Amino acid sequence: EIVLTQSPGTLSLSPGEGATLSCRASQSISSTYLAWYQQKPGQAPRLLIYGTSNRATGIPDRFSGSGCGTDFTLTISRLEPEDFAVFYCQQHDSSPRTFGQGTKVEIK
Amino acid sequence: QVQLQESGPGLVKPSGTLSLTCAVSDGSISNTNCWSWVRQTPGKGLEWIGEICQSGSTNYNPSLKSRITISADKSTNHFSLRLDSVTAADTAVYHCARGGGDGAYYDWGQGTLVTVSS
Repeated sequence: EIVLTQSPGTLSLSPGEGATLSCRASQSISSTYLAWYQQKPGQAPRLLIYGTSNRATGIPDRFSGSGCGTDFTLTISRLEPEDFAVFYCQQHDSSPRTFGQGTKVEIK
Repeated sequence: QVQLQESGPGLVKPSGTLSLTCAVSDGSISNTNCWSWVRQTPGKGLEWIGEICQSGSTNYNPSLKSRITISADKSTNHFSLRLDSVTAADTAVYHCARGGGDGAYYDWGQGTLVTVSS
């Protein structure tokens, strides 16, 4: 099973600041099969990025993804008030599909 | 955008069977790749349970495989989860989700809380 480790656990930032979230895999993953999700309290996860760097429909361009192999990054260029949430990475390169434990981006 | 809605009992007794259904609207379960169940707990986070694909094939998380059955009913556009011999560790919010060809989950149900307790 591929373990995904996200860091940091919590980011305390102000609106307008940038955020960099890390996802490290226990073994190499094809870039095709790495996704990022955003989840707000009481809501389902929402797909932000698929295939490492492709924004899902309706996702603003302040969200971007990058990486390869075992190291992947989600970048939010300028945080808007609605961006504060928990973010998860997920791999679907091998079964079982696994998720990271999440990074919480909170308002400072 | 496909809409998904989970339904089923919110309380299941230990050693009993958890049964949930996911109703799909604004899309057909015959016309996309795979349909999955994912559960979420404060302690373990998001855990993939398994999926049923367009071909009818199923894939299950090995940690749960002996207890899971996922099925689909194309006539009603639903798919279902059955989890046998539940324990308190199965208490979670259960989500259904639509997987794309690349394996990412494009649409999710809101989730339903299932508590295992006597």
